[in-house]
Amino acid sequence: EVRLLQSGAEVKKPGTAVKISCRASGYTFTDYYIHWVQQAPGKGLEWVGLVDAEHGEIKFAERFQGRVTLTADTSIDTAYMELSGLRSDDTAIYYCARLSGLGSFEAFDIWGQGTVVTVSS
Amino acid sequence: SSELTQDPAVSVALGQTVRITCQGDSLRYYYPSWYQQKPGQAPTLVIYGKSNRPSGIPDRFSGSNSGKTASLTITGAQAEDEADYYCNSRDGSSGHLVFGGGTKLTVL
Repeated sequence: EVRLLQSGAEVKKPGTAVKISCRASGYTFTDYYIHWVQQAPGKGLEWVGLVDAEHGEIKFAERFQGRVTLTADTSIDTAYMELSGLRSDDTAIYYCARLSGLGSFEAFDIWGQGTVVTVSS
Repeated sequence: SSELTQDPAVSVALGQTVRITCQGDSLRYYYPSWYQQKPGQAPTLVIYGKSNRPSGIPDRFSGSNSGKTASLTITGAQAEDEADYYCNSRDGSSGHLVFGGGTKLTVL
């Protein structure tokens, strides 16, 4: 079964950092990009960035530039997202998702279960 | 433009047809994908490309595109289709992926 399994919920204080993991199974990890998506409470989905584990390419949405670090460890088929300088509006569910080429199209066909990050003093 | 615009809420009577739209300049060049999200769950892919459905998605779901507008149509909406729906496509300038704001579908 193809799966993305994310690490558990986190509670952090403002100004600190959080690192979330996303472990892939059931497919060749390096064949697909892993993307990260933020969903604040009661809000919509917002694209955070991507990591290409095979080639090392990393891209971010402009609003997350400078605070987000995306990495991947191909030895354990795991992608990571680290968010630093946490503030209250970083409180959200963070999803990892696999971007697949489906014919000549692309889509997020596999999603992790989400990691709840709560930023509170 | 990096924006994809969706109506915040749409309702449909049980068994009727509903269209959920997504507007954006980039849709002239990129086909969107559509995701369904039920409360407390991760999103799931329902439509990609012209009107392709992943395995397990009922054929009452279909997609279409015309110019700057993409549509997700549910023909014969069921109670279990009540959910939030998001479109996703590439931003025309940066090439980054962007989501629409989401549409909350209520099945009456």
